[in-house]
Amino acid sequence: QKEVEQDPGPLSVPEGAIVSLNCTYSNSAFQYFMWYRQYSRKGPELLMYTYSSGNKEDGRFTAQVDKSSKYISLFIRDSQPSDSATYLCAMSANRDDKIIFGKGTRLHILP
Amino acid sequence: GAGVSQSPSNKVTEKGKDVELRCDPISGHTALYWYRQRLGQGLEFLIYFQGNSAPDKSGLPSDRFSAERTGESVSTLTIQRTQQEDSAVYLCASSLQGRFVETQYFGPGTRLLVL
Repeated sequence: QKEVEQDPGPLSVPEGAIVSLNCTYSNSAFQYFMWYRQYSRKGPELLMYTYSSGNKEDGRFTAQVDKSSKYISLFIRDSQPSDSATYLCAMSANRDDKIIFGKGTRLHILP
Repeated sequence: GAGVSQSPSNKVTEKGKDVELRCDPISGHTALYWYRQRLGQGLEFLIYFQGNSAPDKSGLPSDRFSAERTGESVSTLTIQRTQQEDSAVYLCASSLQGRFVETQYFGPGTRLLVL
């Protein structure tokens, strides 16, 4: 079993819909959870960062961590065509540990 | 201010040739990371530089891969005797203080194709 599993998609949703992106992981030591957005032919950029379990909201984006289920989610409300990108989850056990990335989910928001 | 820059943007080479990829981090960032992103795969850690400390080379896949960094500035990733499986996007990132979960700012990547 890979350490981090992420459905590669593509996921296509109409503009304005709520998007749910998910990752599962196997290492119970992971405490730091991140979501990166990567536009085509660009480097990833950090979207959300959470520590341990719980929710974190930033504008239209909500990150959710359920450590008991080893499951993390990113919700995008009122999705826009500009949200079309690849979303990578990433996680780490300690602040100085290497980050383990998921393969990324390709998201298309249809106008 | 300027972000992380990488050159070349694209590189096509023949199997067996050496290639050199360059990364210019954000000024003042002490930490620099190299990652490899194969098609349909997540980012794979290669090497990490933090200030004057010895680099963490634990992610380099073989001894054909090496990297250097001059002080807290430019870094070069060298791949010797390239193989077709080296084809990937090579991403460089930098961060202010150098803890992995700190925000890493990525460059646009160098797309390497080995024929």
